[in-house]
Amino acid sequence: KAGVTQTPRYLIKTRGQQVTLSCSPISGHRSVSWYQQTPGQGLQFLFEYFSETQRNKGNFPGRFSGRQFSNSRSEMNVSTLELGDSALYLCASSLALIDTQYFGPGTRLTVL
Amino acid sequence: TQLLEQSPQFLSIQEGENLTVYCNSSSVFSSLQWYRQEPGEGPVLLVTVVTGGEVKKLKRLTFQFGDARKDSSLHITAAQPGDTGLYLCAGEGSGGGADGLTFGKGTHLIIQP
Repeated sequence: KAGVTQTPRYLIKTRGQQVTLSCSPISGHRSVSWYQQTPGQGLQFLFEYFSETQRNKGNFPGRFSGRQFSNSRSEMNVSTLELGDSALYLCASSLALIDTQYFGPGTRLTVL
Repeated sequence: TQLLEQSPQFLSIQEGENLTVYCNSSSVFSSLQWYRQEPGEGPVLLVTVVTGGEVKKLKRLTFQFGDARKDSSLHITAAQPGDTGLYLCAGEGSGGGADGLTFGKGTHLIIQP
């Protein structure tokens, strides 16, 4: 069974731009969570989607948003990029809410 | 806000030595997970502990959940270079996962041949 895939793997943007990251969960998994990982803050929870609905949200500004499609694939969007948004963005999928999460390889976003 | 403190932050030892990594919190967690992450990859789940006092073994790795479900430890016996990586603990809150997983900042482990 294929694992969690994330595209693109690397991305370079400039301040003020917006970016969309994509995540395809493991087949059959219906829950997708997003995390931001930085050297200073570690892994921080962004949001979780289940059945196309956002179920949980972390403490991030409204510039960070996401959605989930009927096939469970998910996208997250960051608008008006700031230098501090440079990070590894990780997606994790699970069969259901509050279940073992399996992580993808991440998207490395660099904001210049 | 639930926090998980991991120690040490960095650890470099010789192959064959033993080591212990700690994960502590003032909060109670319904479960606690340990992950290993290698450069350029996402975290890979090693184990989940659920019951206070629980001990789980994975080959040379021994994981323990504190009796009060506030802390955990990872002990590696006879470390190998392949054990090198970032070890992360993550807690599932007792509030039913409303805040997702809470991660510690990790222990960077280097095993030198």
